Amino acid sequence: SQQGEEDPQALSIQEGENATMNCSYKTSINNLQWYRQNSGRGLVHLILIRSNEREKHSGRLRVTLDTSKKSSSLLITASRAADTASYFCAPSNDYKLSFGAGTTVTVRA
Amino acid sequence: DTAVSQTPKYLVTQMGNDKSIKCEQNLGHDTMYWYKQDSKKFLKIMFSYNNKELIINETVPNRFSPKSPDKAHLNLHINSLELGDSAVYFCASTGAGELFFGEGSRLTVL
Repeated sequence: SQQGEEDPQALSIQEGENATMNCSYKTSINNLQWYRQNSGRGLVHLILIRSNEREKHSGRLRVTLDTSKKSSSLLITASRAADTASYFCAPSNDYKLSFGAGTTVTVRA
Repeated sequence: DTAVSQTPKYLVTQMGNDKSIKCEQNLGHDTMYWYKQDSKKFLKIMFSYNNKELIINETVPNRFSPKSPDKAHLNLHINSLELGDSAVYFCASTGAGELFFGEGSRLTVL
């Protein structure tokens, strides 16, 4: 199944800074989704970008998709302590959403 | 009102035992999944059911058997538990692409 690989594995930033993480995948997709996982909790859906879209915004989140490079990025602007979590991308072209190991983001106060 | 609920949340058991994890969703979704998250946080798809029919069966040992009595429920039964089965198991459901996850069931095999 399709699997995304997130990079970097871990990221530590100061509150108020921006956080950027990337996702690469290998085959064609219909859409790509980003999820957040707080420690000890289930994944929560953040945003879905379709293969014919290049950029999408949701609040402080900005997602880009470059299908020619088979990559996506997630930008969190003006980070807060509550953004401390792991972030996963899930490229999809059918019902199979497979995830990598995520990017662990730590926002320092 | 929990959308996707799993029980139990924690399970500690001995090698060789058989155990089950239950999942229920009240979202009216047709498709449900089981995922396994290992200690390095990799989240791997195991099974998927659409309206009680198995549609995804990844490379999973035969000791793992999913059962869907109706489209709102997807249970996971594991026979002859091994140390390597220790992980967090997540149930999820979807209606239109976005997955809704349960809170996970942490299985520890001693």
